[in-house]
Amino acid sequence: DQQVKQNSPSLSVQEGRISILNCDYTNSMFDYFLWYKKYPAEGPTFLISISSIKDKNEDGRFTVFLNKSAKHLSLHIVPSQPGDSAVYFCAASPNAGNNRKLIWGLGTSLAVNP
Amino acid sequence: EAQVTQNPRYLITVTGKKLTVTCSQNMNHEYMSWYRQDPGLGLRQIYYSMNVEVTDKGDVPEGYKVSRKEKRNFPLILESPSPNQTSLYFCASSLLRTGGLANEKLFFGSGTQLSVL
Repeated sequence: DQQVKQNSPSLSVQEGRISILNCDYTNSMFDYFLWYKKYPAEGPTFLISISSIKDKNEDGRFTVFLNKSAKHLSLHIVPSQPGDSAVYFCAASPNAGNNRKLIWGLGTSLAVNP
Repeated sequence: EAQVTQNPRYLITVTGKKLTVTCSQNMNHEYMSWYRQDPGLGLRQIYYSMNVEVTDKGDVPEGYKVSRKEKRNFPLILESPSPNQTSLYFCASSLLRTGGLANEKLFFGSGTQLSVL
């Protein structure tokens, strides 16, 4: 059973517009959330993260919003650029154990059209 | 350049023939981990290591072994590969900050596509 769900397998937006990628989770023990970006034939790369004590974190064109009551987070990319075309993974970390392993969503493939 | 290097990138083998996928990082990271990525299942952790000589099982360790004799290297060993181990494998590493998240800002290798016939 997927504890981290990215319900949209793909998303297409026009260059310059906003991209909104969504992620839902089921485990209330998750206390840290991360977004990774993956290009074909490469490993995922860290993009942005947010702690559960915050509801927003911003880094340049990328902003992550966290709604704990809804167990929902979203990644906003403004403005979107063609180089943002990639697969975006949402990941969550439970507040338990030394490993603090990440639980991953299945990813959303973003296509930014020129 | 800071990086995680996996080798080989592609590997085709036959059932039962032992193989090793190497992983090396040059960032002096304490934490290293192996993941496999499968369609519909996402990324799943196989093994992880918090430091030299410290390894532990992740979610799907069956059929795999690892070792951490040196800080920079974390090889993944398949003693007797089977077709269900056909997958895309990623090695990852990160700093282990005291009180911090072990998995924060994982650095991933480029992946190893393994096919077991």
